[in-house]
Amino acid sequence: NAGVTQTPKFQVLKTGQSMTLQCAQDMNHEYMSWYRQDPGMGLRLIHYSVGAGITDQGEVPNGYNVSRSTTEDFPLRLLSAAPSQTSVYFCASSKQGLGNQPQHFGDGTRLSIL
Amino acid sequence: TQLLEQSPQFLSIQEGENLTVYCNSSSVFSSLQWYRQEPGEGPVLLVTVVTGGEVKKLKRLTFQFGDARKDSSLHITAAQPGDTGLYLCAGGSNDYKLSFGAGTTVTVRA
Repeated sequence: NAGVTQTPKFQVLKTGQSMTLQCAQDMNHEYMSWYRQDPGMGLRLIHYSVGAGITDQGEVPNGYNVSRSTTEDFPLRLLSAAPSQTSVYFCASSKQGLGNQPQHFGDGTRLSIL
Repeated sequence: TQLLEQSPQFLSIQEGENLTVYCNSSSVFSSLQWYRQEPGEGPVLLVTVVTGGEVKKLKRLTFQFGDARKDSSLHITAAQPGDTGLYLCAGGSNDYKLSFGAGTTVTVRA
């Protein structure tokens, strides 16, 4: 049982480059979300989706795009990478989006922007 | 500004000692979750508390949700090296957004 799978695990980009972080889950969860984790700041919500075709902004959405064409996949796109986007990115999913639902996290993508 | 404040930020104790981690907010949450994260991995859920005043026990870990549903604590009895990790609290509401604290790094020395 794979759970939540994130690819790649590591990535180095140059300022201005674009890339897509992939996230897939095999639990048929309706709710998926993206967080970034920075030292001393915990996890901050970037974007989330309550189902296929529905996305919304979280706390820190600027510079990121998402789409949800299928229940399984929720890619995160960096449009023009900036050094401030250097971080560890986590994708999570849950059965529904309510606050008492357990979130299942992937193992993260470690992204460095030079 | 962090919606949920965790204290302390770092905690280093000897095996066998007890420890308590606090999670405080000025906001009311419908639920409060605690996660543990190990290096190179994503957070893993330990417990969810939903009722003000609720106490849940998970082996040597005791979780409490404040009566006003604004704060929570995690108490570990007789800590072991396997308890080492980053402990995160997260507040849930009805708007599909989970708010995380900055975390408490716990190190248990053998």
